[in-house]
Amino acid sequence: SQQGEEDPQALSIQEGENATMNCSYKTSINNLQWYRQNSGRGLVHLILIRSNEREKHSGRLRVTLDTSKKSSSLLITASRAADTASYFCATDARTDKLIFGTGTRLQVFP
Amino acid sequence: DAGITQSPRHKVTETGTPVTLRCHQTENHRYMYWYRQDPGHGLRLIHYSYGVKDTDKGEVSDGYSVSRSKTEDFLLTLESATSSQTSVYFCAISESNVRDYGYTFGSGTRLTVV
Repeated sequence: SQQGEEDPQALSIQEGENATMNCSYKTSINNLQWYRQNSGRGLVHLILIRSNEREKHSGRLRVTLDTSKKSSSLLITASRAADTASYFCATDARTDKLIFGTGTRLQVFP
Repeated sequence: DAGITQSPRHKVTETGTPVTLRCHQTENHRYMYWYRQDPGHGLRLIHYSYGVKDTDKGEVSDGYSVSRSKTEDFLLTLESATSSQTSVYFCAISESNVRDYGYTFGSGTRLTVV
């Protein structure tokens, strides 16, 4: 069973717009992570947010975490065509391994 | 990806044959993982290792075995391949406990069982 579920499953926007993806999970966590996957490639780690953190920034990425609602969001500001990819959240469920969600497919049109 | 290599990149095999996929790392990381990726399921953990000769099962381990005889190599074996094991297989490594570190993924092995 999946620990994380991303919403929406697919998202299409124009370059310059912001993209927001959401992730919900089921059990207590130590941290939540976001990954990007370009078509035909492996996943790339984007950002890690710990359970005692509420918000974290990295460049054009902003991640929030609400442990009371067991949810997180990933915001990509000023999207570019190169941001076209699938985005996955992953949680540790307080174990030594990550459980991944099913992903959000983001398409950014020039 | 730098520091982690999967081989082969593509493989077609027949039902009932054994298949071994290799993951090789040059980062000296303690943790190594095998995931499979299928449409609609995201990534699912097959097996993982937290040290040489120390392995454990993930959520979809049936039909798979693993071995780790040295730090740098983590082998995934399909004992008798079935069509349901057609998938893209990813290896990942982590320096330490995922509480503090993210994973580095390999480029994947696309396996087709006919």
